[in-house]
Amino acid sequence: EDQVTQSPEALRLQEGESSSLNCSYTVSGLRGLFWYRQDPGKGPEFLFTLYSAGEEKEKERLKATLTKKESFLHITAPKPEDSATYLCAVQLNFGNEKLTFGTGTRLTIIP
Amino acid sequence: GAGVSQTPSNKVTEKGKYVELRCDPISGHTALYWYRQSLGQGPEFLIYFQGTGAADDSGLPNDRFFAVRPEGSVSTLKIQRTERGDSAVYLCASSLLGGPQETQYFGPGTRLLVL
Repeated sequence: EDQVTQSPEALRLQEGESSSLNCSYTVSGLRGLFWYRQDPGKGPEFLFTLYSAGEEKEKERLKATLTKKESFLHITAPKPEDSATYLCAVQLNFGNEKLTFGTGTRLTIIP
Repeated sequence: GAGVSQTPSNKVTEKGKYVELRCDPISGHTALYWYRQSLGQGPEFLIYFQGTGAADDSGLPNDRFFAVRPEGSVSTLKIQRTERGDSAVYLCASSLLGGPQETQYFGPGTRLLVL
């Protein structure tokens, strides 16, 4: 069965303390892996799409990487405004365009 | 330009009632998706429209759920005989063509509470 697992469930960091969030997947054929940010009471906001192992993308303090089994979202010198839930989702090769999401990592940056 | 909009933002109803949730996609986007998100969980796929037709409705949990998109733009998710377990945030997303690897842009969601 296709599965997407995110860890940790929650992470508290001091402002400026870098860390990584993990998204591991067990799927029959990966077409793309997506990272979204979700603030409380709002819809997910698109961050990155990764298509193949070895690919990396960056945006401000965030960098996403992809291997054949997992993706990492690295956050460098985070600020309080980076506090949010980070969701990863996979799109499979066969069948349809739906996204299958993990349960998210709730990130809190303490000033 | 304007993003995906959803109305109402909140809906409280009683068990057994009928509800309609509306989604206005980004102008020009031909693909539209509905997801449902329970507390502490990631969004879960319900249905995908390409134009006016439902290309994939495999995520609809049962026949109480139905969605339409009659003119290929606005979509309505309809829930009959609501149950307490239907309480969740219902998210709508749209993408330009609905092709592989396209970005899906989400609306703010409708928070449904069934009492």
